[in-house]
Formats: sequence, C-alpha cells, structure tokens
Amino acid sequence: GQNIDQPTEMTATEGAIVQINCTYQTSGFNGLFWYQQHAGEAPTFLSYNVLDGLEEKGRFSSFLSRSKGYSYLLLKELQMKDSASYLCAVKDSNYQLIWGAGTKLIIKP
Amino acid sequence: IAGITQAPTSQILAAGRRMTLRCTQDMRHNAMYWYRQDLGLGLRLIHYSNTAGTTGKGEVPDGYSVSRANTDDFPLTLASAVPSQTSVYFCASSEKGINEQFFGPGTRLTVL
Repeated sequence: GQNIDQPTEMTATEGAIVQINCTYQTSGFNGLFWYQQHAGEAPTFLSYNVLDGLEEKGRFSSFLSRSKGYSYLLLKELQMKDSASYLCAVKDSNYQLIWGAGTKLIIKP
Repeated sequence: IAGITQAPTSQILAAGRRMTLRCTQDMRHNAMYWYRQDLGLGLRLIHYSNTAGTTGKGEVPDGYSVSRANTDDFPLTLASAVPSQTSVYFCASSEKGINEQFFGPGTRLTVL
C-alpha cells in the first residue's frame, strides 16, 4: 500500500529552527509537496521537490532524497504565525496526490 | 479575484438526505478535485476531473458522485448521507502540467 509518515505534533520556540520529516512509500514518484494549513483554513502550497536536493524559499527550505524515500521541511527564524499543520504529499504513478496526516507545529514564545 | 469558492460553509444534515456541495473556480484551471479531511488522517481524494466532461474516482468514491459540465463548476453529491460522511470537504483545482493545487475554503458537513 501507499504510505506517508510524518510526526503528529512538534513544539518549537519563537526565533528557533525546526525540521519536519516526512517518509514515503508510494507506487511511483512524480514529486513531493509541502503545504501549510492553519486551523480551520484551507491548505496552501509551500514547496515542490522532484529532484534530490534542497530547495530554498525565504525562511522555508525543503529537502528530498528519492533513494531514501525521505523529505524534510526546514523552517528558520520561527514566528508565532508559523503555528499550523504542515502536510507532506507525494504525487504517485497516477499523478494523484497521496497525503500524510500532517504535523501540527506549536510555536512557544 | 475569488479563486475557488465553496458552498455551503457548513451544514448539518439528517442521515438519508441528499446533499450537493458546490465548488466554483474562476482561474480556468483544467483539473479539479474533491477531498475529505478527517482528524488524524490525511486528505483523501474522493473524485477528480482532469478536464470538463470527464471525471474519475479517487481513493474513497463510494457514496459520492460528481459532474463536470463546464470548466468552472465541480459539484459533489451525496445521494443518501450517512454519519461516516461527517467531515470537512475541500475542493481544489490545478492547471494542467502545473503541480500546485489551489484549495477552496472548505465545507464542514455533519450527518446525524
């Protein structure tokens, strides 16, 4: 079966750095996505990786290792507004997104 | 520019009733999707449409139907609602060949 694993919840301090991991086992791979979802709101796109390596976008970076079935989202200089759930999703061989359950990130002052 | 709109925002429904959730996008995207989101689970694809006039089944299609008469609208119908269909429903769209999916604000549905 297809499976996306990510931690259920993480806590970090304002101004610090946090890394959210995602491991996947899917039928085919056509890219990995990270989305942010604030409570009660819709998911919004953060990043897309299809090749191995690091993609940097401001305070957020995303890394992919296809051979290990592994990705992480790195958030730097954490702000209170970064408190949200972070969703990892993989596009499979049918070009459909398979979603992880999400990681709830709690930022403390 | 609205992006994607969904209606209603929330609904309480008696089991056995028929319900249609509406989704409209103004971005002229080819592909549209319906997901449900339940606590502790990832988003699960119900149905999708790659272009107007075509639809396909996702991971959890049973009890749901869709139609795609034009580019902008993608309604989701529950023919006879059951309590297990209590969930938050998100509609999304994407441009063909582009990877990012844009999501509507969601419909919170409770079936009693």
